[in-house]
Amino acid sequence: DGGITQSPKYLFRKEGQNVTLSCEQNLNHDAMYWYRQDPGQGLRLIYYSQIVNDFQKGDIAEGYSVSREKKESFPLTVTSAQKNPTAFYLCASSIVRGRRETQYFGPGTRLLVL
Amino acid sequence: KQEVTQIPAALSVPEGENLVLNCSFTDSAIYNLQWFRQDPGKGLTSLLLIQSSQREQTSGRLNASLDKSSGRSTLYIAASQPGDSATYLCAVLTGANSKLTFGKGITLSVRP
Repeated sequence: DGGITQSPKYLFRKEGQNVTLSCEQNLNHDAMYWYRQDPGQGLRLIYYSQIVNDFQKGDIAEGYSVSREKKESFPLTVTSAQKNPTAFYLCASSIVRGRRETQYFGPGTRLLVL
Repeated sequence: KQEVTQIPAALSVPEGENLVLNCSFTDSAIYNLQWFRQDPGKGLTSLLLIQSSQREQTSGRLNASLDKSSGRSTLYIAASQPGDSATYLCAVLTGANSKLTFGKGITLSVRP
């Protein structure tokens, strides 16, 4: 089955620790995205990538980093510089970053701070 | 800056009722508008996508309309069922960077 997988489902971070959220897609999509969702809030864009080895900052990139070494994978690292990381993180992909295509979303990772 | 508003934040209706969910946006220069469904603790599922040149889209019991000039969209759900209970998010695609801007969503509860 084609789709987007995210792991883990729940992730716990200690103070000062960097953690990495995984996102993999087998849809052969070029574009991938990371969003953050807080309770009662809309989704906010963290980073996006239109092609391998290229990525751009979204609206709230501070304290986060990404890589895009393979078309299928777009991991997100939440660094210790992100002071309020508790949120629901959603990965998405689309055929191209364009005007007609919908984005397909993964099941999400919930990050909690210990 | 594009802003998307969905009011009310929550809605409870009895089963079988026809209902309308509203979405408004501030910048009418959009490429498309999408409605998504989100179940608790889950990702988003795309329900309907309306291109800027279109007025409506239909899928089963769902119908979405778009009035770009007034900055409004509605999602009509016919004969609501308890399985329709979820959060419904509206999002618009705008700008040179093809940015998707989301509303905060409407949490719908359909009572048996």
